[in-house]
Amino acid sequence: RKEVEQDPGPFNVPEGATVAFNCTYSNSASQSFFWYRQDCRKEPKLLMSVYSSGNEDGRFTAQLNRASQYISLLIRDSKLSDSATYLCVVNKGTNAGKSTFGDGTTLTVKP
Amino acid sequence: DADVTQTPRNRITKTGKRIMLECSQTKGHDRMYWYRQDPGLGLRLIYYSFDVKDINKGEISDGYSVSRQAQAKFSLSLESAIPNQTALYFCATSEIRTGGLETQYFGPGTRLLVL
Repeated sequence: RKEVEQDPGPFNVPEGATVAFNCTYSNSASQSFFWYRQDCRKEPKLLMSVYSSGNEDGRFTAQLNRASQYISLLIRDSKLSDSATYLCVVNKGTNAGKSTFGDGTTLTVKP
Repeated sequence: DADVTQTPRNRITKTGKRIMLECSQTKGHDRMYWYRQDPGLGLRLIYYSFDVKDINKGEISDGYSVSRQAQAKFSLSLESAIPNQTALYFCATSEIRTGGLETQYFGPGTRLLVL
């Protein structure tokens, strides 16, 4: 079993749809969690950190469920520009040297 | 100008050749990382460095070496390239943000093909 698992998709949704991705992690000692966005074969860029209480940034909402060991990303009112691969990242410690990346979930938003 | 740059952006080499990938940053961060990404997969950590002369192995360090001679530069070497090292290589820096969360900033990547 992989340390960090994501549904690879692809998720194909129409503009304006709401879509949610889940990411599960196996190490209960994991301390910090992130969602990164990666456009086709380009560098990953931080989308948002995931806080224990859940957090929102515009159309994006991230949540953490420590008991079930998963994090989620919800995108509301999808835009064409949201089409990308979304990478879940889990840190076992306080430094990124202990980061594990998921394989990513691909989203395509269609007109 | 980009904060994290990588050279070359593309490289084709032959099995057995030694090659070096360079990474430079202007962000002033102490921490730097090298990752590889294979198609359809996430990033896997090769090496990382928290300061000049500090070197730490990541998940997949075999077949690779690194050098950190200056804060702004972190180079990755393949001593004797083999075809399964064909991949997309990313360099990254990081900073500790409010709340202790470490955020990474990635370079544009180097596409390496080993024939």
